[in-house]
Amino acid sequence: QVQLVQSGAEVKKPGASMKVSCEVSGYTFTSYDIHWVRQATGQGLEWMGWMNPNSGNSDSAQKFQGRITMTGNTSLRTAYLELTSLRSEDTAVYYCARGRGAVAVPDSWGQGTLVTVSS
Amino acid sequence: DVQMTQSPSTLSASVGDKVTITCRASQTIGTWLAWFQQKPGKAPDLLISKASTLESGVPSRFSGSGSGTEFTLTITSLQPDDFATYYCQQYHGFPYTFGQGTKLEIK
Repeated sequence: QVQLVQSGAEVKKPGASMKVSCEVSGYTFTSYDIHWVRQATGQGLEWMGWMNPNSGNSDSAQKFQGRITMTGNTSLRTAYLELTSLRSEDTAVYYCARGRGAVAVPDSWGQGTLVTVSS
Repeated sequence: DVQMTQSPSTLSASVGDKVTITCRASQTIGTWLAWFQQKPGKAPDLLISKASTLESGVPSRFSGSGSGTEFTLTITSLQPDDFATYYCQQYHGFPYTFGQGTKLEIK
């Protein structure tokens, strides 16, 4: 079955960078987009961006541009989210999700990775 | 950006009740609307895509309707497992945007 397994929790200092991985199985990695969504504690869902593992194309919400990089390693069937210049407001659970369809709906999600930004 | 407004923010109901959650888009999105269910500490689960298409394995007591800017999620005959937070999301265009969520609580 389709599975997305994310890397473990991280604690980062303000100004540092984070990198979360998302290893997929049960489907062809290059055939579906990967979306990234985050959720601060007790808050709602915030879409961050998407990447296409086949072409390498990506796009992100404007608030993250300049700080976000989304990449993929097709050999490892793994997507990566990197966020730089971290601040306390970036403390959240970060999710990867598979985007299904030409107009991609996030249909299968990873378990989430908690990133805590604290001095 | 398309703003998604859900109502109500909190909904109290009993097992067996029928409930409706509304989601409004700030501009037309056709039927590019998804509904997710999220339980505490878990990732969201996709319930409905294309405004009204039930995902495989989702009970038929869930249904979605609407197009353009007005959408609804209806749950008939609430079950104990249905008490969770529900989010709508538009995927008509980037950036994708979510509603603020509706917490469905046991009365």
